[in-house]
Amino acid sequence: QKEVEQDPGPLSVPEGAIVSLNCTYSNSAFQYFMWYRQYSRKGPELLMYTYSSGNKEDGRFTAQVDKSSKYISLFIRDSQPSDSATYLCASGPYNFNKFYFGSGTKLNVKP
Amino acid sequence: ETGVTQTPRHLVMGMTNKKSLKCEQHLGHNAMYWYKQSAKKPLELMFVYSLEERVENNSVPSRFSPECPNSSHLFLHLHTLQPEDSALYLCASSQDLVGLEGNSPLHFGNGTRLTVT
Repeated sequence: QKEVEQDPGPLSVPEGAIVSLNCTYSNSAFQYFMWYRQYSRKGPELLMYTYSSGNKEDGRFTAQVDKSSKYISLFIRDSQPSDSATYLCASGPYNFNKFYFGSGTKLNVKP
Repeated sequence: ETGVTQTPRHLVMGMTNKKSLKCEQHLGHNAMYWYKQSAKKPLELMFVYSLEERVENNSVPSRFSPECPNSSHLFLHLHTLQPEDSALYLCASSQDLVGLEGNSPLHFGNGTRLTVT
């Protein structure tokens, strides 16, 4: 079993839709959660990080962590074509920077 | 200028060649990392350096040899690679391995696309 699982997609939505991207993780010791966006031919770009359960909001993006079910979500409101990219989730234990990444979900937002 | 710069962007090498990948970070971070990204696979952590000392070596074959001469620069020396080593090699940095609030998020460069022929 992989430490972090992520549906590879692709996920295709119309512009303006609410997007939900999801990951699960296997280790209850994981306390730290990150979401990255990766455009084609670029490195991953940090979107959000948190080390608590609940929601964290930043503009159109909301990260949600449910530790009881080991479930991580990223919501994108009012999606734009510029949001088309691969989204990576990552998680790891507190107090050591060893993160496990999902394989990424490819998102396509159609104008 | 991005915070983490990697060169070259693309590299094609034969199995008998020796080459090096270079990474430089301009963020004042103390920890640096090498990751391997293959198609449809999760990022694989290869090496971790903190204050120029290697703190993690994730069972990486010896044909990959890292070097961290100072906290701003990181190299990955390559020799006698195999075609399955073809991938995107990403360098990342973080403020520390562990900060005041716990872990520090990773900041990535744009990677070197390596093709081994």
